[in-house]
Amino acid sequence: RKEVEQDPGPFNVPEGATVAFNCTYSNSASQSFFWYRQDCRKEPKLLMSVYSSGNEDGRFTAQLNRASQYISLLIRDSKLSDSATYLCRLRGGGKLIFGQGTELSVKP
Amino acid sequence: NAGVTQTPKFQVLKTGQSMTLQCAQDMNHNSMYWYRQDPGMGLRLIYYSASEGTTDKGEVPNGYNVSRLNKREFSLRLESAAPSQTSVYFCASSAVTLNSYEQYFGPGTRLTVT
Repeated sequence: RKEVEQDPGPFNVPEGATVAFNCTYSNSASQSFFWYRQDCRKEPKLLMSVYSSGNEDGRFTAQLNRASQYISLLIRDSKLSDSATYLCRLRGGGKLIFGQGTELSVKP
Repeated sequence: NAGVTQTPKFQVLKTGQSMTLQCAQDMNHNSMYWYRQDPGMGLRLIYYSASEGTTDKGEVPNGYNVSRLNKREFSLRLESAAPSQTSVYFCASSAVTLNSYEQYFGPGTRLTVT
């Protein structure tokens, strides 16, 4: 099993839709979870941290489910500008590990 | 405030040539990292430097060397480039190594080895 797994997508959704991605991890001791956003051929940029109690930033909600070993990112009222690849990052086994990313395409 | 800068942005090398990728950050971060990103492989850590004067191997260090010149600068050297090193290379920095502090990335260097 990979240390970190994400569905590569693409997730094709209409504008205004709600969409959610998961990122599963294999090391139960993993910590320090983040979501990054990467636009085509650009550098990853921090989107938000993921706290144990869950956290929200505008239209974005991040949650951690330790029992099932995954983090999630929920985007409400999707905008065309949300089209990007979303990468999860965590610290597991003393290493910083990125997922492969989930591609989101928001259509008019 | 430039954040993390990388040079060059693009480079084409022939097999066997050498080159150095430069990275600098102006955020007074202790830790710096080099990643490569290939289609379907995500970001893979090549080397990192927890602080000035220290460097450690990451997941895919073979074929690369690094130098932490000072707190600001962290360079990546390819001594004898191979086609398998064709990739996009990102430098990143963070305030604390392998901890909860977020990483900030440079714009990347797109390297093609023919």
